[in-house]
Amino acid sequence: DTAVSQTPKYLVTQMGNDKSIKCEQNLGHDTMYWYKQDSKKFLKIMFSYNNKELIINETVPNRFSPKSPDKAHLNLHINSLELGDSAVYFCASSQGSTPRGQYFGPGTRLTVT
Amino acid sequence: QKEVEQNSGPLSVPEGAIASLNCTYSDRGSQSFFWYRQYSGKSPELIMFIYSNGDKEDGRFTAQLNKASQYVSLLIRDSQPSDSATYLCAVNTSGGSYIPTFGRGTSLIVHP
Repeated sequence: DTAVSQTPKYLVTQMGNDKSIKCEQNLGHDTMYWYKQDSKKFLKIMFSYNNKELIINETVPNRFSPKSPDKAHLNLHINSLELGDSAVYFCASSQGSTPRGQYFGPGTRLTVT
Repeated sequence: QKEVEQNSGPLSVPEGAIASLNCTYSDRGSQSFFWYRQYSGKSPELIMFIYSNGDKEDGRFTAQLNKASQYVSLLIRDSQPSDSATYLCAVNTSGGSYIPTFGRGTSLIVHP
C-alpha cells in the first residue's frame, strides 16, 4: 500500500491556467506538507498543516493555496500559473511536533508553457 | 535566517569504502536532525534521524551529531553502487513546531 500518494504525477499546462494537485496519506499522521523542488534540486517547504491548522506558510505567492478537507488529505491549488512555477512538488507527512522524520509522496512534475 | 549547509559534491568513493557526508546548521536551538536519500527522479526517502549528541547506528549507516560544533554527519560503510544518490540533511529548528529546513544535498557516487 502506498503511504503517501499524489495525483497527477505529471502536469503540463499553459501560463495563466489554474490547477490542483492532490495528496493523500494513509499513515495516520497528523501533519502534512507541500514542498517545491526546483531545477537545482533545492527542496523548499511551502506549507504545513497540523490538525487542519496552517502552521507554516513560507514566502509563497498567494496564488498558491493549500486546502485540507481532513487530516489525511492536503491539496494544493495554484492560480494563474507562471513559468517560474515549473518544478517538482512533493507532498509529505509526519507525526507529532518532534517527528521521526517525514514521508514523501512520489512528486508531481509541473511544467508551465 | 536559519541555514543548513552541505557540500554539493559530487563525492566519489570506490565500492566497499566508507562514505562520509557532512552537514552544518546555523540554529543552535535545533533539536532533531535527519538524513534523506534521493535517487534521481525520485522522492526523498528517510534514512535516519538523531536527536542526541553522539553516534547512532543502523545497519551500514551511522549518524553522528555534535551540537556544540553544530554539525551532523552520515557515514555509509561498505558503500555500494546502489548507494549512489543525493543525500539531504534536514534540521528541525527551534520554535515548538516542526519547521524543517533542508540542505541542498550532497551527490554521492560509488564506483565499482
